[in-house]
Amino acid sequence: QSALTQPASVSGSPGQSITISCTGTSSDVGGSNYVSWYQQQPGKAPKVMIFDVSRRPSGISNRFSGSKSANTASLTISGLQADDEADYYCSSYTISSTYVFGTGTKVTVL
Amino acid sequence: QVQLVQSGAEVKKPGASVKVSCKASGYTFTGYYMHWVRQAPGQGLEWMGWINPNSDVTAYAQTFQGRVTLTRDSSISTVYMELTRLRSDDSAVYFCARREHFAFYMDVWGKGTTVTVSS
Repeated sequence: QSALTQPASVSGSPGQSITISCTGTSSDVGGSNYVSWYQQQPGKAPKVMIFDVSRRPSGISNRFSGSKSANTASLTISGLQADDEADYYCSSYTISSTYVFGTGTKVTVL
Repeated sequence: QVQLVQSGAEVKKPGASVKVSCKASGYTFTGYYMHWVRQAPGQGLEWMGWINPNSDVTAYAQTFQGRVTLTRDSSISTVYMELTRLRSDDSAVYFCARREHFAFYMDVWGKGTTVTVSS
């Protein structure tokens, strides 16, 4: 199972919107309604931001939104804030009943 | 409060085995799957496998088949991850994370255990 493909880095100014893509195959992203997104601050454990493609856990800002089209899922952060600066990982449940993570994207707030 | 407390850092020689524990508290242990995810220095997250503490059923990533074993001791709400035939590229932080039955994401994570493999 190969890692899902994400851009290595994405940047934006405060207040702007950015979108992170996550590309897989029909065996994972394309064949699953179970894509999630995790935020990881340096030295910390990951934190779920989006699950089931577009649902937000309780307590997560509505500035975070998710979507999916074919084999590519996307995470959009609107109204970018300084504390959004972190690494972001997508994850997908696969047709083999396993999980796979993306390669990770470093978000920089300019 | 819900917590996953992992065992301390380990230093192992190549070819050895390591066993990391993850003690759950604040929720019904058998009501959630437990996953293991690792992260090599400066690298991304890598899913290793899960165990259903209720049934003892496990699933592993193909990459680790034959080298990783997940077990549980329900009497002390603890899950164990054992990795054998260690190599230098197994040096990483190992996280446990729970997942609710019928959910497909990990909602609570341990702080991680650093495993260093060096001769």
